[in-house]
Amino acid sequence: LAKTTQPISMDSYEGQEVNITCSHNNIATNDYITWYQQFPSQGPRFIIQGYKTKVTNEVASLFIPADRKSSTLSLPRVSLSDTAVYYCLVGDMSTGFQKLVFGTGTRLLVSP
Amino acid sequence: NAGVTQTPKFQVLKTGQSMTLQCAQDMNHNSMYWYRQDPGMGLRLIYYSASEGTTDKGEVPNGYNVSRLNKREFSLRLESAAPSQTSVYFCASSGLVGTDTQYFGPGTRLTVL
Repeated sequence: LAKTTQPISMDSYEGQEVNITCSHNNIATNDYITWYQQFPSQGPRFIIQGYKTKVTNEVASLFIPADRKSSTLSLPRVSLSDTAVYYCLVGDMSTGFQKLVFGTGTRLLVSP
Repeated sequence: NAGVTQTPKFQVLKTGQSMTLQCAQDMNHNSMYWYRQDPGMGLRLIYYSASEGTTDKGEVPNGYNVSRLNKREFSLRLESAAPSQTSVYFCASSGLVGTDTQYFGPGTRLTVL
């Protein structure tokens, strides 16, 4: 399973764009990159998933360079409610079964 | 559609007691998982069930047993609880072949005294 490295914490202010970068140097051909968000006292929640280039949904964008050794989660115009822990995971999604490894994540604090 | 449900929400045990954590999903998912999360840490996989009728060990299986009762339900049992098992336990499920994702329950906060 590919190991991921991401910053332990980040600070931002309301209305700013936040970019969280994740390093996954040993990513395999069948691996997808997935980001989860976790609020205190809740289970993680899926944000976005991608394989290459750029993926965008109503919540975030995910940028993946051609070598796929890193990825960047972009949260546009964050609000206080975006304060959470963000996990970057890499895993083979081709079978539907996922044995994911959660690191310690990036703790994002959004201030007024 | 409740998604993934877990019972109980909170539990306090004494060392040596046993208990079963229950998990159910109503999304017709094939795979189910049990994780634990210690304070300030990420989630660690305890056991998983890739499909009905199969279970396998994850990263930290010692001290736990699981049962995939049917496609909907996946239980986690602590036979003899220890203080080191104080944690928040999350159940998750994932669906069919493809780029599917895991859906998590609300968690069970367990304290072992």
